[in-house]
Amino acid sequence: QKEVEQDPGPLSVPEGAIVSLNCTYSNSAFQYFMWYRQYSRKGPELLMYTYSSGNKEDGRFTAQVDKSSKYISLFIRDSQPSDSATYLCAMRSYMDTGRRALTFGSGTRLQVQP
Amino acid sequence: GAGVSQSPSNKVTEKGKDVELRCDPISGHTALYWYRQSLGQGLEFLIYFQGNSAPDKSGLPSDRFSAERTGGSVSTLTIQRTQQEDSAVYLCASREQGINTEAFFGQGTRLTVV
Repeated sequence: QKEVEQDPGPLSVPEGAIVSLNCTYSNSAFQYFMWYRQYSRKGPELLMYTYSSGNKEDGRFTAQVDKSSKYISLFIRDSQPSDSATYLCAMRSYMDTGRRALTFGSGTRLQVQP
Repeated sequence: GAGVSQSPSNKVTEKGKDVELRCDPISGHTALYWYRQSLGQGLEFLIYFQGNSAPDKSGLPSDRFSAERTGGSVSTLTIQRTQQEDSAVYLCASREQGINTEAFFGQGTRLTVV
């Protein structure tokens, strides 16, 4: 079993829809949670960064962490065609600040139809 | 340069040949990571450099893979006797020292072994 599970999609939604992307994980030591966006043939770019449980909002994006359920989510409101990309969740424990640093999910491919 | 630079962007090589992939991190970033991304897979950690410390090579898949970082800056990932299963995108990331610092990724080198 992978440490981080993420549905690969593709997830296809109409423009303006609310998108929900999710990851589950098994390592209870994970404390830092990130969402990266990766456009085709580009490197991943950091979208959201949260520590421990709770919500964080940034514009149209909201990240949620539920450590009791080992479940994290990224919500995208008013989705746009420019949001079409692969979304990767990533996480690390406090003790992994240097070494591997990040354990990634396999990524969910999102397509927003105009 | 403003970001992490990787070269070449694409590399096609014959099975059995050696290849070298280059990463120029962001100036001043002490941490440097190499990851591998295969089709439909998440990012697989390969190796980590932090300053003058011994690198963490725990993610290298076989002894055909090696990496070095000269002068704490540029890094080269070398794959000897390439195999078809080595075909992937090789991503480099760099990060400032510190717990809550963000890792910035390059655009990757797409390696195809034929």
